[in-house]
Amino acid sequence: DVKVTQSSRYLVKRTGEKVFLECVQDMDHENMFWYRQDPGLGLRLIYFSYDVKMKEKGDIPEGYSVSREKKERFSLILESASTNQTSMYLCASSRDRESSPLHFGNGTRLTVT
Amino acid sequence: GEDVEQSLFLSVREGDSSVINCTYTDSSSTYLYWYKQEPGAGLQLLTYIFSNMDMKQDQRLTVLLNKKDKHLSLRIADTQTGDSAIYFCAGITDSWGKLQFGAGTQVVVTP
Repeated sequence: DVKVTQSSRYLVKRTGEKVFLECVQDMDHENMFWYRQDPGLGLRLIYFSYDVKMKEKGDIPEGYSVSREKKERFSLILESASTNQTSMYLCASSRDRESSPLHFGNGTRLTVT
Repeated sequence: GEDVEQSLFLSVREGDSSVINCTYTDSSSTYLYWYKQEPGAGLQLLTYIFSNMDMKQDQRLTVLLNKKDKHLSLRIADTQTGDSAIYFCAGITDSWGKLQFGAGTQVVVTP
């Protein structure tokens, strides 16, 4: 079974702090994704990556950056956290681009006060 | 790109069948997926259907695809309390393989 692990289930940070959300997958998947989930809005794609050191903007990249130094690890960075970034953050991975399904981690609920 | 729409809420009695509906705008997606999210958890792949199929059955789950109407549905037979969750439909948006999700349907199963 594919395992996607997000390092924290819950995080509370202050406005202006730099925040790192970590995600690791153990199946040698090429692709990794960061989504945020908000009630009534479903999942929105923040950033994705198809290879090491490669990143592409998703639908809502503003206020975020990412890092993929190793194939198995994809980090989401909030350079200066704001209250409107309070949300559930979901990491996912998939084998390749050819219609392979996404496998999700359990999510990190981030609260910015 | 794909726009995916779902109704937001469904209440069903235990033992009845549930039907969750989804409409999409882009018919180029090779696969269409159903994901389940239980409280406090990530999304779990439930089932999927290849775009050249009309129906797929997997135990209590039946997926129907009407490509002409761009309509996808998930039927859960003999709904149980453990089926209470949010269900998302999703389709591939582009050649990069990105998934576009609907807003999710909250299914509540009552005794």
